[in-house]
Amino acid sequence: QSALAQPASVSGSPGQSITISCTGTTSDVGGYNYVSWYQQNPGKAPKLMIYDVSKRPSGVSDRFSGSKSGNTASLTISGLQAEDEAEYYCSSYTSSSRYVFGPGTKVTVL
Amino acid sequence: EVQLVESGGGLVQPGGSLRLSCAASGFTFSGFWMHWVRQAPGKGLVWVSRITNDGSNTIYADSVTGRFTMSRDNAKNTLYVQMNSLRVEDTAVYYCARAGKGHFDLWGRGTLVTVSS
Repeated sequence: QSALAQPASVSGSPGQSITISCTGTTSDVGGYNYVSWYQQNPGKAPKLMIYDVSKRPSGVSDRFSGSKSGNTASLTISGLQAEDEAEYYCSSYTSSSRYVFGPGTKVTVL
Repeated sequence: EVQLVESGGGLVQPGGSLRLSCAASGFTFSGFWMHWVRQAPGKGLVWVSRITNDGSNTIYADSVTGRFTMSRDNAKNTLYVQMNSLRVEDTAVYYCARAGKGHFDLWGRGTLVTVSS
């Protein structure tokens, strides 16, 4: 199972919106609405930010939103804040009943 | 408090074995499927394995199939992974994670496994 494709880095100024893409295939992202996004700070465990493409867990800011079109899912962070600086990973369920992650995107707040 | 706490990591020689544990608390452990996910130093997350809530079914990534065995003891609220024939490329922080439907909704802090001679 090949990893999903994500940009290595995305940056933005405070208050701006940024979008991180996550591209897979019809066997994963395109075939299921089981795309999720995780935020990871250095030395910390990942934290679930979005699940089922666009749902937010309780406690996650509504500045985070998710969407999907075809084989590409996206995470948008609106009103970018310094605390959003972290690594972000997408994940998808796959047709082999396994899971696949993207390589991660480093978000930098300028 | 709802939490997962991994243990059992350490330094092991190539070809060696190690068993990791993950203690769950604050929720009904027996009601959830569970996963192991690993992260090599400076690298991304990689899914390793999944077990059903009653332990009757497991599935593994190709890279660990035949070498790793995932199990659980619901009476002890503990998840395990037995890792045999370890390779240098198995070096990683190993996280246990609680399964949501199609996602991982609770993560432990991880335990570091280093495979080196």
